[in-house]
Amino acid sequence: GIQVEQSPPDLILQEGANSTLRCNFSDSVNNLQWFHQNPWGQLINLFYIPSGTKQNGRLSATTVATERYSLLYISSSQTTDSGVYFCAVEVFKGGSEKLVFGKGTKLTVNP
Amino acid sequence: GAGVSQSPRYKVAKRGQDVALRCDPISGHVSLFWYQQALGQGPEFLTYFQNEAQLDKSGLPSDRFFAERPEGSVSTLKIQRTQQEDSAVYLCASSAFRGRHGYTFGSGTRLTVV
Repeated sequence: GIQVEQSPPDLILQEGANSTLRCNFSDSVNNLQWFHQNPWGQLINLFYIPSGTKQNGRLSATTVATERYSLLYISSSQTTDSGVYFCAVEVFKGGSEKLVFGKGTKLTVNP
Repeated sequence: GAGVSQSPRYKVAKRGQDVALRCDPISGHVSLFWYQQALGQGPEFLTYFQNEAQLDKSGLPSDRFFAERPEGSVSTLKIQRTQQEDSAVYLCASSAFRGRHGYTFGSGTRLTVV
């Protein structure tokens, strides 16, 4: 099955710093989604980004589907950005659909 | 409702006990998914419903796991004779057909088997 790898696994930043999280996937996919899992376990949809670039405030994401990777940029990080960031690729097979997740990047932003 | 609602939020079960976890998806969402998230890991797919039809149950770890969505809206994940390795967070997600506009997850049910 498709493999999804995220890097780095852990990231510690000082408030105000910028960061880039990477997601590589092993096969062509229908779509890709970035999530933030907050300390209470809620998965929040950040971007639905099959290709191209999108921006939402201090966050932006770029997916290059032909090269099988996606990047999540966080600028001017805040303590509330702490948590785990997951990318997930959407797979359609037969009559089924599902998301395949990476193992996540755990981000800690210190004041 | 506005989001995906799961209940209970926490469940402690004695080993061997049966449990039932509930998911209320976003109204009108055709697709419904269950995922299992072990501590420190990403969510892993369990099963997929399109309306009331269970089209994929390839991720269910054993025949002790059973899911249903009889009327195409609310879904229940049942685990029979719970084991310690079943301890995890169980997440439900819903989407419009074929993931258009992305997937919305519930807050999950944290199951602890003692």
